[in-house]
Amino acid sequence: KAGVTQTPRYLIKTRGQQVTLSCSPISGHRSVSWYQQTPGQGLQFLFEYFSETQRNKGNFPGRFSGRQFSNSRSEMNVSTLELGDSALYLCASKRGADRGTGELFFGEGSRLTVL
Amino acid sequence: GNSVTQMEGPVTLSEEAFLTINCTYTATGYPSLFWYVQYPGEGLQLLLKATKADDKGSNKGFEATYRKETTSFHLEKGSVQVSDSAVYFCALSFTGNQFYFGTGTSLTVIP
Repeated sequence: KAGVTQTPRYLIKTRGQQVTLSCSPISGHRSVSWYQQTPGQGLQFLFEYFSETQRNKGNFPGRFSGRQFSNSRSEMNVSTLELGDSALYLCASKRGADRGTGELFFGEGSRLTVL
Repeated sequence: GNSVTQMEGPVTLSEEAFLTINCTYTATGYPSLFWYVQYPGEGLQLLLKATKADDKGSNKGFEATYRKETTSFHLEKGSVQVSDSAVYFCALSFTGNQFYFGTGTSLTVIP
């Protein structure tokens, strides 16, 4: 079956702009989470959605937001881009709402460069 | 708070060498522990996991044992192959889908 699909794969923006990234989870998966990956900080948790509700949120400023649609697809938005937002943004999906013991399935990521 | 510390990389080994990547964690309870692997140009994929103390996770010749007394989950493989070249991430999780990842250890295996 199809894996987690993220679009776009690559994008370049300038400071002050905003960006929207999209994630389609594996069919049947209702949980979607987002991570920011940078060389210095590794993977940092942004937020997680389950059945259109945000269940957890990481320690990121309000410029980072997300949502989940009824078909489980998710988007994340970053407004007023800063140079430090340059990163690989990874989406991961999971079938259900178990307590963190299950497997996350990751997409290949969206690589954002802010100039 | 919750955090994961991995040994610094990069690690370079010859084929068939023994691999250990150290991972220790700080947690406010008893998390599940994971090793994820990221091959070049790909997303992360689960390598192995352990959900309680003394559990041993294993997959593709890799092993890691959940040691509560030392708060560790070291990854080992007896004989690495060139195809094992990747970045390895240790992670913990308690609730929902919030995972705490280490910074990753890059492994290069040379023939």
